Amino acid sequence: AQSVTQLGSHVSVSEGALVLLRCNYSSSVPPYLFWYVQYPNQGLQLLLKYTTGATLVKGINGFEAEFKKSETSFHLTKPSAHMSDAAEYFCAVSEGGYSTLTFGKGTMLLVSP
Amino acid sequence: SAVISQKPSRDICQRGTSLTIQCQVDSQVTMMFWYRQQPGQSLTLIATANQGSEATYESGFVIDKFPISRPNLTFSTLTVSNMSPEDSSIYLCSAAGAAEKLFFGSGTQLSVL
Repeated sequence: AQSVTQLGSHVSVSEGALVLLRCNYSSSVPPYLFWYVQYPNQGLQLLLKYTTGATLVKGINGFEAEFKKSETSFHLTKPSAHMSDAAEYFCAVSEGGYSTLTFGKGTMLLVSP
Repeated sequence: SAVISQKPSRDICQRGTSLTIQCQVDSQVTMMFWYRQQPGQSLTLIATANQGSEATYESGFVIDKFPISRPNLTFSTLTVSNMSPEDSSIYLCSAAGAAEKLFFGSGTQLSVL
């Protein structure tokens, strides 16, 4: 069975600092991996995804994530945080097909001036 | 991309009553999904709703408790029946786009007294 672990329910950074949100997964087959963002009172929005190919994936708003099979990780990073990045971030894994999508519990990113 | 309108955005209900949540997509989609997000937990898939067929429920969810309609390719409803306080949660609908991309509604915050 697949599962996702997001380390830290809350992460606080200063504006301009590096953002690092951690995600580890387990999967019995090569996974598809996703990061979603949820802004207050809005639906989840896809930030980026990994299916096959290049392990460093670039997404919207300057975010990127690297698939590391040996570490079973898919951490999300952004070099410089903006106030507008404050939101909840969800990592998800799929073994193929939408109905097999498993989400982590989410990490709330707080950005201070 | 698809835009999903979900309503109501929030509701407070009495135990033993039922609430129907509506989800409208601005384009035709084959697959729609309903998720539940309990406080402090990850998103859990309730069921998959395809137009023209019965919804497929995940383990732990049954049709009598969560009946779903999918009358056409742009609309779906989820009913939470005979509610109890344990049903207090955020309910999200989503629609499947191309390339394993899911679009989400903004969610329904349900509180059961």
